Amino acid sequence: GAVVSQHPSRVICKSGTSVKIECRSLDFQATTMFWYRQFPKQSLMLMATSNEGSKATYEQGVEKDKFLINHASLTLSTLTVTSAHPEDSSFYICSARDAGGGSEAFFGQGTRLTVV
Amino acid sequence: GNSVTQMEGPVTLSEEAFLTINCTYTATGYPSLFWYVQYPGEGLQLLLKATKADDKGSNKGFEATYRKETTSFHLEKGSVQVSDSAVYFCALSAHNQAGTALIFGKGTTLSVSS
Repeated sequence: GAVVSQHPSRVICKSGTSVKIECRSLDFQATTMFWYRQFPKQSLMLMATSNEGSKATYEQGVEKDKFLINHASLTLSTLTVTSAHPEDSSFYICSARDAGGGSEAFFGQGTRLTVV
Repeated sequence: GNSVTQMEGPVTLSEEAFLTINCTYTATGYPSLFWYVQYPGEGLQLLLKATKADDKGSNKGFEATYRKETTSFHLEKGSVQVSDSAVYFCALSAHNQAGTALIFGKGTTLSVSS
């Protein structure tokens, strides 16, 4: 099946700094990618939909100035957590569906962010 | 709106026991339904899917049937193994389009002991 690669898998940063997470579709083009945040009791919350060449669409309650999304090409979307705080510590997962068809979504390996 | 409700865990079973994880959904139209599995520290992997009513998805001994009349997509396995220990997510997609995000249930943790 298709592969979505997410990097880094783990990152620890200091409060106030910014962290960039990359999500790449390796063998298909993804005009749309999705960013999820997974909370400790496993629920997966959709944060935003990343659209190639245009602005991301954020879900209600997600701060777009804190979670900057850039989707500059058909194979790469980035999520930057700006001015990170300990409450931003979480597991972030990206996902993409093949623009060429098929109904399933492919997921990156996830990024464990710890803000100290 | 669209939503997915799945049974809360954790589910604890002995090896070779029968597994059922219930999942029901609310959606307009005819969504596609999925079960994803997440092993510790990893992303989600597709386990099986069904795209229309009465379809049965199956993989690795797991099965789920798309029941439109009961809006359900329960996951079953006849004989679980220790290696099946993971978190299982039921999900739906309102449209089979690349621009539509999947909507997930809260996940059910399965723990299988030998």
